[in-house]
Amino acid sequence: DAEITQSPRHKITETGRQVTLACHQTWNHNNMFWYRQDLGHGLRLIHYSYGVQDTNKGEVSDGYSVSRSNTEDLPLTLESAASSQTSVYFCASSEAGAPYEQYFGPGTRLTVT
Amino acid sequence: DQQVKQNSPSLSVQEGRISILNCDYTNSMFDYFLWYKKYPAEGPTFLISISSIKDKNEDGRFTVFLNKSAKHLSLHIVPSQPGDSAVYFCAASGGLMYSGGGADGLTFGKGTHLIIQP
Repeated sequence: DAEITQSPRHKITETGRQVTLACHQTWNHNNMFWYRQDLGHGLRLIHYSYGVQDTNKGEVSDGYSVSRSNTEDLPLTLESAASSQTSVYFCASSEAGAPYEQYFGPGTRLTVT
Repeated sequence: DQQVKQNSPSLSVQEGRISILNCDYTNSMFDYFLWYKKYPAEGPTFLISISSIKDKNEDGRFTVFLNKSAKHLSLHIVPSQPGDSAVYFCAASGGLMYSGGGADGLTFGKGTHLIIQP
């Protein structure tokens, strides 16, 4: 069955370190997204991609970057981790265009100390 | 400025009764709305959606109603079952004209924790 996976599921890192969160989908979806979930904010869009070599900034993109070298993967990099980036991160994917249903991975809980 | 609002952080309903979850939005460019269900330590799961050209969409026990003039949508679950206990997120998509979260990025509400009492 097609699925979307994230790794690691839990990560603890120190302030200032570079961290990369992996996202892999086997739906063959063109669109991929990264969100963060924080108490009191719901889910907020960080970056998204419509296909290979395409990346776009979302609502809360400062301090994050993504790259899309193939259809299946969209890794999220925190250039220099900050305590404000402690959060739960969700990756999602969807087909190109309508409908807009997005399918989410299980999440990565990141703690920056 | 919150563009998708779920004003009830939690809702308790007796098993077998109807659960009604509400959502309001402010951005008139939103043209597609979705409901997601989320269990602890899992990713959100797509539940049901509705296009702005419709006012109702039904899927089994779940029905979503959209009132465009009031910028309001609601999710009805009937009958409510214990497995429905979860956090429910309302989300909206605005197509190419929306610049808040990106063309196809979803804007989420803060969620409503639904508790089904036996």
